[in-house]
Amino acid sequence: SQQGEEDPQALSIQEGENATMNCSYKTSINNLQWYRQNSGRGLVHLILIRSNEREKHSGRLRVTLDTSKKSSSLLITASRAADTASYFCATDALQASGTYKYIFGTGTRLKVLA
Amino acid sequence: GAGVSQSPRYKVTKRGQDVALRCDPISGHVSLYWYRQALGQGPEFLTYFNYEAQQDKSGLPNDRFSAERPEGSISTLTIQRTEQRDSAMYRCASGLSAADTQYFGPGTRLTVL
Repeated sequence: SQQGEEDPQALSIQEGENATMNCSYKTSINNLQWYRQNSGRGLVHLILIRSNEREKHSGRLRVTLDTSKKSSSLLITASRAADTASYFCATDALQASGTYKYIFGTGTRLKVLA
Repeated sequence: GAGVSQSPRYKVTKRGQDVALRCDPISGHVSLYWYRQALGQGPEFLTYFNYEAQQDKSGLPNDRFSAERPEGSISTLTIQRTEQRDSAMYRCASGLSAADTQYFGPGTRLTVL
């Protein structure tokens, strides 16, 4: 299964509401990143949170990280139609060789209705 | 400044042909990553480099796939004897280091007929 698994797979909300997406992972990590992708276009980096951080903010975005539960959440407040996209988490997963490589989850498809 | 660029943006080829996909990372970025993304899925790790050294190629599907970054800057992903199942979006990303933010290029859409 995926190192990073987001849930829900799909989320539909009204403009102005908050959207929360979750990501779970399996191995030790150095950091976790959230990305946005509009309709199969490019991936846009949103936030990087390091393993020794618990929460980060960027504008309307808030990311939390709980390394004991191996999970992260992305909260988008006061959502807008333009936030409609797929959101992915990526973790740098520790490999048996001792190196790290980035693993992406399958994503949450967010639809914000105007 | 300039972001990550990839070329070609679209490539259509016939089964059995070799293709070379190019990635030009952000200047000064040490780490360079290759991913493959199927429609509706997240990017799938293929390989990555620090400078010119290939650090991990465990994601390359088979020995028809290879990548190089000879001078620690531009990288080429080569697929030999392409098959229809190789059709996908191939994405490149670069970062200041392996532990830093990755910046993605626009991708190369490969279609194997």
